[in-house]
Amino acid sequence: NAGVTQTPKFQVLKTGQSMTLQCAQDMNHEYMSWYRQDPGMGLRLIHYSVGAGITDQGEVPNGYNVSRSTTEDFPLRLLSAAPSQTSVYFCASSRRVGAEQYFGPGTRLTVT
Amino acid sequence: TQLLEQSPQFLSIQEGENLTVYCNSSSVFSSLQWYRQEPGEGPVLLVTVVTGGEVKKLKRLTFQFGDARKDSSLHITAAQTGDTGLYLCAGANQGAQKLVFGQGTRLTINP
Repeated sequence: NAGVTQTPKFQVLKTGQSMTLQCAQDMNHEYMSWYRQDPGMGLRLIHYSVGAGITDQGEVPNGYNVSRSTTEDFPLRLLSAAPSQTSVYFCASSRRVGAEQYFGPGTRLTVT
Repeated sequence: TQLLEQSPQFLSIQEGENLTVYCNSSSVFSSLQWYRQEPGEGPVLLVTVVTGGEVKKLKRLTFQFGDARKDSSLHITAAQTGDTGLYLCAGANQGAQKLVFGQGTRLTINP
């Protein structure tokens, strides 16, 4: 039981490049979410999903896309990276929105 | 927009002292969670409170949910260096599908 896995752990992009952050969970959780964490800002919700085929926007969705084709996977796509997207990204899963959130180890992204 | 305000944002105290951190909002939450995060790792759940006025204890940590379910506090008795970390509160609104986090309290316990 691996829990929530995220890849890559570190990534450096140039402005304008695109990439996908991968997230997978093996706990059969319906609810998955992506957060970004910046100094002094806590965790801000980017996108979330309440089940396969269903996604919705969080607080800071601009510049990011998501899809949920399976229960296990919830990738986050950066369409055209900008320096403002330099952050640590966390994926989380849970049985439902008010239940315990299980977080992945994070991806540290730097955009130059 | 942050719906949850945590205070203080930073707190540095000596080992053995007591402390309280706060999580406040103008919104009513159906449940509120407290997480602890260590450097380089994701947050880990400490407790969930769901009933107004509820008090939960986890060893030296005491969590309270406000009567109106708009605020919460975390009290640590006789702090230890192992309590050092970032403490985050998170709230779920009734009927909403989003979990919103506060900006966190960075706690440092000095030996």
